[in-house]
Amino acid sequence: AQSVTQLDSHVSVSEGTPVLLRCNYSSSYSPSLFWYVQHPNKGLQLLLKYTSAATLVKGINGFEAEFKKSETSFHLTKPSAHMSDAAEYFCVVKGGTALIFGKGTTLSVSS
Amino acid sequence: DTAVSQTPKYLVTQMGNDKSIKCEQNLGHDTMYWYKQDSKKFLKIMFSYNNKELIINETVPNRFSPKSPDKAHLNLHINSLELGDSAVYFCASSYLLPVGPANTGELFFGEGSRLTVL
Repeated sequence: AQSVTQLDSHVSVSEGTPVLLRCNYSSSYSPSLFWYVQHPNKGLQLLLKYTSAATLVKGINGFEAEFKKSETSFHLTKPSAHMSDAAEYFCVVKGGTALIFGKGTTLSVSS
Repeated sequence: DTAVSQTPKYLVTQMGNDKSIKCEQNLGHDTMYWYKQDSKKFLKIMFSYNNKELIINETVPNRFSPKSPDKAHLNLHINSLELGDSAVYFCASSYLLPVGPANTGELFFGEGSRLTVL
């Protein structure tokens, strides 16, 4: 069965500093992995996806993630945080026909 | 154009009432989903329909009944509402199978329907 574990429930950074949101996955075969973002009182928006092409995946708003099979990780990074990045981030694996969500990481950005 | 739209956005009701949430997608997808997001932001799949056929039916009380009149619509009806049903319900759609590099099965979500049961 597929699953994802987000290692931090809350990450706080200062504006202009790097962002790292950690995610480990478990899958019995080559997974499809996604990061979604949810801004307050909004729906979920796809940030980026990995589907067995390039291991370094670039997404929207300057985010990227690297698929590391040896470490079963799919961490999300951004070189420089912006105030508008403050949101809930979900690491997601495709398990059969549905997406299975991690528990989420709340990103706070201070000025 | 809104891709996945849900109505109503907010719903406040008393325990014991029956309510419905409607969802429509104009993306041409063949699969639609209902997810429940609890107060801790955890998202859990409830149901999924592919071309009007139920394909995922997670452990959900039978007070919850989905209905898909066509592949562009998936409604959720809830009978005898309980306090624990208070949550945000998200509708989503996708292609069941990847149709190419541009669409690899990711879900497109509506903005959610916040249900409060008093």
